Amino acid sequence: DVKVTQSSRYLVKRTGEKVFLECVQDMDHENMFWYRQDPGLGLRLIYFSYDVKMKEKGDIPEGYSVSREKKERFSLILESASTNQTSMYLCASSPTGFSSYEQYFGPGTRLTVT
Amino acid sequence: SQQGEEDPQALSIQEGENATMNCSYKTGINNLQWYRQNSGRGLVHLILIRSNEREKHSGRLRVTLDTSKKSSSLLITASRAADTASYFCATAYGNNRLAFGKGNQVVVIP
Repeated sequence: DVKVTQSSRYLVKRTGEKVFLECVQDMDHENMFWYRQDPGLGLRLIYFSYDVKMKEKGDIPEGYSVSREKKERFSLILESASTNQTSMYLCASSPTGFSSYEQYFGPGTRLTVT
Repeated sequence: SQQGEEDPQALSIQEGENATMNCSYKTGINNLQWYRQNSGRGLVHLILIRSNEREKHSGRLRVTLDTSKKSSSLLITASRAADTASYFCATAYGNNRLAFGKGNQVVVIP
């Protein structure tokens, strides 16, 4: 079974702190994604990566950066956390191909910024 | 970016009944996928239907796709309490990306 793990289920940080969210997948997938999920807004893509050291902005990249130094690991960084970044963050991975394959999701990290 | 839109937003049914959810989208797609999310958890993939397919089954799930109307439906037959979850449609477009709808909350009453 594909497994996608996220470093924390719940996280509480203060405004202005630098926050790292880590995601690891064990299926050698090329693609990895970071989404945030907010009530009434569904899932919105923050960033995705299609290869090591490669990244592309999603729909809402402002205030976030990412790092992919190894194929299995994709990190989301909040350089200076703000209260409007309080949200559920979901990581996903998928193999690459001509058309999109299913994505495998981690359990999510619920981040609260106070 | 395009986005799926589910309809209705919330559904409450008795165990044993069928549940139907609809999804519409705006532009061309490679495929359309349905996911389930149990409360506070990650999403789980349910079924994928390609743009050249019209209907697909998986267990108690039946998905239809009408590309002329840019819409899809998900039918869950003989619902169970364990089917209580949020259901999302997602449209696949270039570069292996998915655009998700806002989700349907389904509550199955035992």
